[in-house]
Amino acid sequence: AQKVTQAQTEISVVEKEDVTLDCVYETRDTTYYLFWYKQPPSGELVFLIRRNSFDEQNEISGRYSWNFQKSTSSFNFTITASQVVDSAVYFCALTPYGQNFVFGPGTRLSVLP
Amino acid sequence: DTGVSQDPRHKITKRGQNVTFRCDPISEHNRLYWYRQTLGQGPEFLTYFQNEAQLEKSRLLSDRFSAERPKGSFSTLEIQRTEQGDSAMYLCASSFAGGGNTEAFFGQGTRLTVV
Repeated sequence: AQKVTQAQTEISVVEKEDVTLDCVYETRDTTYYLFWYKQPPSGELVFLIRRNSFDEQNEISGRYSWNFQKSTSSFNFTITASQVVDSAVYFCALTPYGQNFVFGPGTRLSVLP
Repeated sequence: DTGVSQDPRHKITKRGQNVTFRCDPISEHNRLYWYRQTLGQGPEFLTYFQNEAQLEKSRLLSDRFSAERPKGSFSTLEIQRTEQGDSAMYLCASSFAGGGNTEAFFGQGTRLTVV
């Protein structure tokens, strides 16, 4: 069975602070894919990043960075210098090659001006 | 093509009525997914298609739910004899299986309210 845990239910930060969203996953598959999605108040899920299980290289993209560690089954997401527009619910998700996507419960991020 | 399109965006129905939702995926995508999301929760998988074949159905999907993708393009999700517990956001997503790309792109959803 696959499972995604996001222990942080809600996080509030002040604009320009850095914030890290935690994701821990469980799977028996040796090949799998991990994702982060953002759901702003408008409701549409927006794809942010995909990471393959065989690629542990961490990545930075603008203000976003990701830390994937197979040894601890974690896939954490950091926003640097947060902005009010980053306020949203963020979901971590897992799939064995694009089949059933399993989502975590989400972390609601509020960035205060 | 501007993305995954769902229709209607909102639906209010009386308990016991049947409802049908439509999803038009991104045109080159061969996989199509249906998810359900309730307030404060993450999306829950319902079913997915590869082309016109329905490859997996969740145990959450009761006999009152049926999905089709007759020509491997658009899909419909029908709920028969709706119950108040069916009230939720129904999300459709599509992806292209192949070439190592697996990310799914979501539509804006259909919000169902059963009264």
